[in-house]
Amino acid sequence: NAGVMQNPRHLVRRRGQEARLRCSPMKGHSHVYWYRQLPEEGLKFMVYLQKENIIDESGMPKERFSAEFPKEGPSILRIQQVVRGDSAAYFCASSPQGGYEKLFFGSGTQLSVL
Amino acid sequence: DQQVKQNSPSLSVQEGRISILNCDYTNSMFDYFLWYKKYPAEGPTFLISISSIKDKNEDGRFTVFLNKSAKHLSLHIVPSQPGDSAVYFCAARGTSGTYKYIFGTGTRLKVLA
Repeated sequence: NAGVMQNPRHLVRRRGQEARLRCSPMKGHSHVYWYRQLPEEGLKFMVYLQKENIIDESGMPKERFSAEFPKEGPSILRIQQVVRGDSAAYFCASSPQGGYEKLFFGSGTQLSVL
Repeated sequence: DQQVKQNSPSLSVQEGRISILNCDYTNSMFDYFLWYKKYPAEGPTFLISISSIKDKNEDGRFTVFLNKSAKHLSLHIVPSQPGDSAVYFCAARGTSGTYKYIFGTGTRLKVLA
């Protein structure tokens, strides 16, 4: 009975490289949310996806960031040409149907940009 | 534009006493609220929720109160235990738009033994 799985736990990238963060939701969950936590700050909403659809990407920077949740496989948050300001903890959460439900969070990916 | 605010960044409480964590919101369209606890290097874990049709929800040592007219909710922990020391986030979901969850900035609770 696995929970939300995120990998890698830690990711180190040099400026200009690409970062790919993966999230496998809980079994039976079709809604995925991505949040970013900067040091000493709260959880900032980035994007909300359903299988094969982006529902809301209003919190995601327009450039360099993209997200997908394909029919098969994990959800991917992709950051191109990373900069030092992208260093943060990225959390993924899932829910069954996107209604009045609690979110189940993964353990997060700590991205460090050198 | 912070729609969900937790104005106290930190709180210290003696073991056995009551901890009260506060959360304010600005959007009257929010109708479902959740509280999460987060330990360092871990993901947030769900504590308790409340919908706008209620003003109170209780689960063991945790009680959430909702004051819709004031757009304010609070989490009460009684009695507080050292293991409750963590960062607490409130979150809100609206009735319109895409129903995403907006989180507050968090309050770090320290329960002193």
